[in-house]
Amino acid sequence: DAGVTQSPTHLIKTRGQQVTLRCSPISGHKSVSWYQQVLGQGPQFIFQYYEKEERGRGNFPDRFSARQFPNYSSELNVNALLLGDSALYLCASSLAEGVPTEAFFGQGTRLTVV
Amino acid sequence: QQQVKQSPQSLIVQKGGISIINCAYENTAFDYFPWYQQFPGKGPALLIAIRPDVSEKKEGRFTISFNKSAKQFSLHIMDSQPGDSATYFCAASGGFQGAQKLVFGQGTRLTINP
Repeated sequence: DAGVTQSPTHLIKTRGQQVTLRCSPISGHKSVSWYQQVLGQGPQFIFQYYEKEERGRGNFPDRFSARQFPNYSSELNVNALLLGDSALYLCASSLAEGVPTEAFFGQGTRLTVV
Repeated sequence: QQQVKQSPQSLIVQKGGISIINCAYENTAFDYFPWYQQFPGKGPALLIAIRPDVSEKKEGRFTISFNKSAKQFSLHIMDSQPGDSATYFCAASGGFQGAQKLVFGQGTRLTINP
């Protein structure tokens, strides 16, 4: 079975631009979460989606938005990019919501804002 | 209260030795404690996880020790090998009203000398 897949793997954007990152969860997993990992730090929670609905949001500005599709894949959008948005963006999928279950991460999208 | 504090930041162990990484938390609503291993340029990979109803869990060379009263948990890697050289993150989850949000420690860079 394929794991969590993310695309693209690397991306370079200019300040002020917009970016869309994509994630396909493990087959059968209905929950997708997004995390931002700045170099040298642990991942920080951005969003969780389950059955196309937002279930949780971290302490990130409104420039960050996400959605989940009927096939449970997800997109993370970031508008008006800042230099500080440069990071590894990770998607995690898990079987269910609520009760903590194992979360499996993709390889991430490395976003560089110049 | 949402923080998970991890120590040490970096650790050097000789091949065959025991690597020990410690984490502490404040939020008593946390009820799931996973450990992740991350290699450079890759996403975090789930190693082992524990729930607070047990004090220890062992999988192969990896053991989690959990002290609920002290709100601390640790990862022990027995017979450490050069291939174990990576960054390790502890995390905690639970009590977020339906959202499966993982709160990560700051990470420990482990180096196993041959």
